[in-house]
Amino acid sequence: GEQVEQRPPHLSVREGDSAVIICTYTDPNSYYFFWYKQEPGAGLQLLMKVFSSTEINEGQGFTVLLNKKDKQLSLNLTAAHPGDSAVYFCAVTPLSGSFNKLTFGAGTRLAVCP
Amino acid sequence: EAAVTQSPRNKVTVTGGNVTLSCRQTNSHNYMYWYRQDTGHGLRLIHYSYGAGNLQIGDVPDGYKATRTTQEDFFLLLELASPSQTSLYFCASKQGSDYTFGSGTRLLVI
Repeated sequence: GEQVEQRPPHLSVREGDSAVIICTYTDPNSYYFFWYKQEPGAGLQLLMKVFSSTEINEGQGFTVLLNKKDKQLSLNLTAAHPGDSAVYFCAVTPLSGSFNKLTFGAGTRLAVCP
Repeated sequence: EAAVTQSPRNKVTVTGGNVTLSCRQTNSHNYMYWYRQDTGHGLRLIHYSYGAGNLQIGDVPDGYKATRTTQEDFFLLLELASPSQTSLYFCASKQGSDYTFGSGTRLLVI
């Protein structure tokens, strides 16, 4: 079945710096890709859902890149601020077959220092 | 807006104890899920369901039962809790490709 490797497991950056988290997946049929943010003691907050057809997706203060050739999904936080400190998870699901199951990466704990 | 409510928020039980975690969603989504979250593993799927009375096995089902009594309610049962089941449990519902997660139940088995 699908496997998702997420790296790095821990990341510490200074305020204003960029932060990059990368997920590598195995199933070439993966179609929907998700990034979630989990703040301490909280549930999962959806940052962005991207489709297989779109390679560059921009949000508020971040960009999600999808490289289907290399089966990689990345979250790029530009000009990180302390409010970005959290655990980030990627998740993927195919369009068919295991469509109804999300497979998660192991998570990245991001610390943004003032 | 879809809402998923989990209870209890926190639970402590002894080894061998019987625990039921509850999840209710208010938007009549067909699919509901139970995940456990552990450091280094992310979220792993325990059981899921596509409607009342239906149950599908996830990726880490051992030691867990689940029951979907209504469209809204999905329960996770640990009949003989073990310390290895100490974890943060999330419930989710899904419509199409949109998932809504609950706030989690933190379970400690001592």
